[in-house]
Amino acid sequence: EAQVTQNPRYLITVTGKKLTVTCSQNMNHEYMSWYRQDPGLGLRQIYYSMNVEVTDKGDVPEGYKVSRKEKRNFPLILESPSPNQTSLYFCASSLADRSYFGPGTRLTVL
Amino acid sequence: KQEVTQIPAALSVPEGENLVLNCSFTDSAIYNLQWFRQDPGKGLTSLLLIQSSQREQTSGRLNASLDKSSGRSTLYIAASQPGDSATYLCAVATGNQFYFGTGTSLTVIP
Repeated sequence: EAQVTQNPRYLITVTGKKLTVTCSQNMNHEYMSWYRQDPGLGLRQIYYSMNVEVTDKGDVPEGYKVSRKEKRNFPLILESPSPNQTSLYFCASSLADRSYFGPGTRLTVL
Repeated sequence: KQEVTQIPAALSVPEGENLVLNCSFTDSAIYNLQWFRQDPGKGLTSLLLIQSSQREQTSGRLNASLDKSSGRSTLYIAASQPGDSATYLCAVATGNQFYFGTGTSLTVIP
């Protein structure tokens, strides 16, 4: 079954404690991306990757890092999380521009 | 920078009614436009994708149109059902990035 998986689904952490949200797809897609969804602001793109070792900033990259060492994985790293990064995060992969989304990770930073 | 707007923010209709959701965007230089459905607590599911050279796409009771020159798209849902209740988002692909509207929350009343 074609799918995008994210882990963890829920995470509560404290300010400054580094965390990683994993994302994996099994469709051999080249394009992957991360979004955050906030009430009233919709989904905003954080980072995207056109292929292995190729990443670029989206609209709201501050405070986030990504890496793309393998085609299937695209982890999102928060080196020093802050409360304004409390949000719902989605990973997505795309083929021929049609996007497939993961189930989301709800992150709370205290 | 691309800006995507969806009106109305919320819509409530009786079962069986036909309805139209609207999406507008400011930069007509798009590759494509997608309509997504998001159920509460879930990820996004792609419903229809219209390439920039196309005028419309149909899938079952759904029909999406695109007028690139005027920066507008509509999603037409025929014979609405309670199971159609969800938030509908449109997204445009511009350059290598995706830009989302804030969505229309649809409630279909039995």
